[in-house]
Amino acid sequence: EVQLVESGGGLVKPGGSLRLSCAASGFTFSSYSMNWVRQAPGKGLEWVSSISSSSSYIYYADSVKGRFTISRDNAKNSLYLQMNSLRAEDTAVYYCARDNDIVVVVAAFDYWGQGTLVTVSS
Amino acid sequence: QSVLTQPPSASGTPGQRVTISCSGSSSNIGSNTVNWYQQLPGTAPKLLIYSNNQRPSGVPDRFSGSKSGTSASLAISGLQSEDEADYYCAAWDDSLNGRVFGTGTKVTVL
Repeated sequence: EVQLVESGGGLVKPGGSLRLSCAASGFTFSSYSMNWVRQAPGKGLEWVSSISSSSSYIYYADSVKGRFTISRDNAKNSLYLQMNSLRAEDTAVYYCARDNDIVVVVAAFDYWGQGTLVTVSS
Repeated sequence: QSVLTQPPSASGTPGQRVTISCSGSSSNIGSNTVNWYQQLPGTAPKLLIYSNNQRPSGVPDRFSGSKSGTSASLAISGLQSEDEADYYCAAWDDSLNGRVFGTGTKVTVL
């Protein structure tokens, strides 16, 4: 059974940093591209970042470019999101999600974690 | 910063057919495939339709997707109470070089 479990969320002050993790199991992690998607309280879904299976291709939403860094450790079956210079508008539930295709332009997010809440507030 | 536009709400009685539209542009829907997600209250999103009209295993055939030009649609036939949820379309955007989601549509079963 495919499982994605996020951790690392919490309360952080504006300008602070936080590192999210996503532990994957039930599939060959090193074969799949992975993603972070967030959802602000009461709002819609927003794609944050994607990383290919071997980390060769990385993409970011303009809203986080230069502040967030996506990475993965295939030996540990883990996905990460390093978030720096956090702002109030980064407050959201952050989900990790798996791509169902190696071609990024056609891929869909076929499995999602339960999410971890990040709150940016003084 | 959603670039895909959906109606905020849609509704129907049990057994009815409900259709949700998703309007984009040539850089996203016009040139790439569309996926649809269902988010039940308080839960993580779930993949409902991929590659415009393909259903993952386990998704009832009451759900169907289509695409024409720079727009896409999700249809729910034989509406059931458990279909009450938020629905989002998504696609790759060539101009933004990233994924984009629709604004979301809340479906209410009357």
